[in-house]
Amino acid sequence: NAGVTQTPKFQVLKTGQSMTLQCAQDMNHNSMYWYRQDPGMGLRLIYYSASEGTTDKGEVPNGYNVSRLNKREFSLRLESAAPSQTSVYFCASSEAPDGTSAYFGPGTRLTVT
Amino acid sequence: AQTVTQSQPEMSVQEAETVTLSCTYDTSENNYYLFWYKQPPSRQMILVIRQEAYKQQNATENRFSVNFQKAAKSFSLKISDSQLGDTAMYFCAFMRDFGNEKLTFGTGTRLTIIP
Repeated sequence: NAGVTQTPKFQVLKTGQSMTLQCAQDMNHNSMYWYRQDPGMGLRLIYYSASEGTTDKGEVPNGYNVSRLNKREFSLRLESAAPSQTSVYFCASSEAPDGTSAYFGPGTRLTVT
Repeated sequence: AQTVTQSQPEMSVQEAETVTLSCTYDTSENNYYLFWYKQPPSRQMILVIRQEAYKQQNATENRFSVNFQKAAKSFSLKISDSQLGDTAMYFCAFMRDFGNEKLTFGTGTRLTIIP
């Protein structure tokens, strides 16, 4: 039972480079989320997708784009990475309409130099 | 907008003792869910316990229990008989009861269990 998987686990980028973080869940959840975690800030929502084909901005969406490719997969793209995007990124999924108990992936540690 | 506040950045306690982590939140909603998540050094986020706001009875999961005070908007986590494996960051989180809603997290409490 894989749950929520994320790739890659670690990544180092130079300023201006682009990359896509991949996320997949095998629990048939409708809702998926991308969070970033910074020291002293807790987890902040970047984007979320309530269902396949829909995406909405969260608290800190600037500099990011997302794609809900299908029900299983939800990717996060950095078009032009900046040092301020150095963070740990978590993908999560949850069931609807219950909407409770989000399950998290293992995280991606991204460093932008 | 909802906010979640954890006022204890760090705590430590001796193994086998009991520790309580505090959380307060602000919302105008009447129906919602509250959660405690644990994040060990592995960084994996693990659900510890959840509470439905419409339930008066406090949730309990083995050594973990909550004290939910709806009027005071307080949601503390009590860990009994603490174990070394409880060492982790603990996050309090809030979700409105509309389905497909997002979690709002507090800034976390770093808990260290001392052998």
